[in-house]
Amino acid sequence: DAGVTQSPTHLIKTRGQQVTLRCSPKSGHDTVSWYQQALGQEPQFIFQYYEEEERQRGNFPDRFSGHQFPNYSSELNVNALLLGDSALYLCASSLGGYGNQPQHFGDGTRLSIL
Amino acid sequence: QKEVEQNSGPLSVPEGAIASLNCTYSDRGSQSFFWYRQYSGKSPELIMFIYSNGDKEDGRFTAQLNKASQYVSLLIRDSQPSDSATYLCAVKGTGGYNKLIFGAGTRLAVHP
Repeated sequence: DAGVTQSPTHLIKTRGQQVTLRCSPKSGHDTVSWYQQALGQEPQFIFQYYEEEERQRGNFPDRFSGHQFPNYSSELNVNALLLGDSALYLCASSLGGYGNQPQHFGDGTRLSIL
Repeated sequence: QKEVEQNSGPLSVPEGAIASLNCTYSDRGSQSFFWYRQYSGKSPELIMFIYSNGDKEDGRFTAQLNKASQYVSLLIRDSQPSDSATYLCAVKGTGGYNKLIFGAGTRLAVHP
């Protein structure tokens, strides 16, 4: 039973560039949420996708966008990268968009902006 | 006031002791509560969730919920050095979809 998988593991970009991060949910899950975790901080909610639509969004600018595919996998795109975007980006999957089911996290993508 | 609050620690306990981690939340309408363990440099790992008032036990872990006091706790019995990590309390946001709001985490150190 495959868990949540994220790629790539690490990424180094420069300011102004664009990046795409990918996530495959745990088998049987249909909902994907993305979080940003800066060093020494707690995860902060970016947005959640269910049924290929963005269902909820946190306090992140429009530079952060996403997509969910019919197979439930998801992408997070960040444009015009800033130094402050350096963080661990976490994907979490769960079952059912509107419910109490626990979210399970992938190993994350560590993004460094130079 | 933050929506979810935890003591940052470190909480230091000897091996074999009970570690008690606490969390308070501000939204009285919250219904779902989660504890995650995060080792340094790793991603959060779900260890417990609780929805109803009272206690829920799973192995060495017990989650306790008191909605009237807006308080959640995690007890770790027979603490081991391998339990040394940051423990994140997370509350599901109200009003719809499954957004998690995290506390800042409590760092636990179990010493031999």
